[in-house]
Amino acid sequence: GEDVEQSLFLSVREGDSSVINCTYTDSSSTYLYWYKQEPGAGLQLLTYIFSNMDMKQDQRLTVLLNKKDKHLSLRIADTQTGDSAIYFCAETNSGYALNFGKGTSLLVTP
Amino acid sequence: DTAVSQTPKYLVTQMGNDKSIKCEQNLGHDTMYWYKQDSKKFLKIMFSYNNKELIINETVPNRFSPKSPDKAHLNLHINSLELGDSAVYFCASSPYGTGLGAGELFFGEGSRLTVL
Repeated sequence: GEDVEQSLFLSVREGDSSVINCTYTDSSSTYLYWYKQEPGAGLQLLTYIFSNMDMKQDQRLTVLLNKKDKHLSLRIADTQTGDSAIYFCAETNSGYALNFGKGTSLLVTP
Repeated sequence: DTAVSQTPKYLVTQMGNDKSIKCEQNLGHDTMYWYKQDSKKFLKIMFSYNNKELIINETVPNRFSPKSPDKAHLNLHINSLELGDSAVYFCASSPYGTGLGAGELFFGEGSRLTVL
């Protein structure tokens, strides 16, 4: 299947901004998503973006999409210790079955 | 009220046994899924049902058999368990089977299966 790649780890200090990056190979991706997984829990949808958008902002979260480079990023402003989790990028073109990246573990240190 | 609930949360069993994991959603969603998450946190879809009809069946050994008695339930039965089946199995649901709503997944808390 198509690939979704993410870096595996990111460590930031509390109060700083975090930027989690994702690249995908399917040029026909229509919808792109960010999910968060806290320890011992299921994934939780954080935000999504349509492929015809460049940016979406939702409170502390900013999603940037560079469709030409097939690059998606999630910026978390004023990162808190409660933001420590695994963040998954996901894409779909048909709406069937999300294709997930391998997740980025975000560690926020005091 | 738990939106997507799975039982059991933990399952430890011997190789060769047969086991089932149950899933129920009270969100009124049409589509339900089973995902497998391995020890490296890689998440892979196994099955998807829309209104009790199988719509996605990825390359999964036929020892795995999903059953959807109604659109609120999707159970997973696994025969002849192998060591490589050890993983966390997540049930999820979404409002629609296609389009944006198909990606808005609501996940259960997972069922951690350990095969000895």
